[in-house]
Amino acid sequence: EVQLVESGGGLVQPGGSLRLSCAASGFTVSNHYMNWVRQAPGKGLEWVSVSYSGGKTSYADPVKGRFTISRDNSKNTLYLQMNSLRVEDTAVYYCARDFSNWYNTGLDVWGQGTTVTVSS
Amino acid sequence: QSVLTQPPSVSGAPGQRVTISCTGSSSNIGATYEVHWYQQLPGTAPKLLIYGNNNRPSGVPDRFSGSKSGTSASLAITGLQAEDEADYYCQSYDSSLSAYVFGAGTKVTVL
Repeated sequence: EVQLVESGGGLVQPGGSLRLSCAASGFTVSNHYMNWVRQAPGKGLEWVSVSYSGGKTSYADPVKGRFTISRDNSKNTLYLQMNSLRVEDTAVYYCARDFSNWYNTGLDVWGQGTTVTVSS
Repeated sequence: QSVLTQPPSVSGAPGQRVTISCTGSSSNIGATYEVHWYQQLPGTAPKLLIYGNNNRPSGVPDRFSGSKSGTSASLAITGLQAEDEADYYCQSYDSSLSAYVFGAGTKVTVL
């Protein structure tokens, strides 16, 4: 079964750090563009970052310079290192797979999400 | 403010047809980047409903269809059912932002 399982969310103070993990099964992450998407409470979906072949990455402006996406192909796992967290980063964070090994092909597999709360 | 504009809500009676618009610009939908649609039921992760403007993943009923013209795209739901009550999001890529972009979402209510 093709599946993504996120972990690592929690409560953190403003300025703190968290690392999210997304374990993939049933497929190989190295064969897909892999993304993080977040959803603040009661709000819509917001794309955060993408990791693609050759170690290349891209970020949404609100997280640029603070978040780092990476993958460990040997563990078939995607990560999101979040530093200098702000209250407005509070959200459910989903990892999601692009349909193919190219950008913007449709996010066809999603994890269940992990909740990040930034509060003092 | 979202780069892609969707109506906040649409509604229809069971069996009716509803459409959701997604309006972009020359740097996203108008630049021929593909549009995708997602359905999000309350408390669940989004689900891919339409990819590549008008393609349905296996398992998605043919009541759902997508189209694209110029700088806009649309999702149509025919034969509306109670289980279709959900939030729907369009998504594409924006070359000016070098980013994936989502619409703000449309809540579909079945009367």
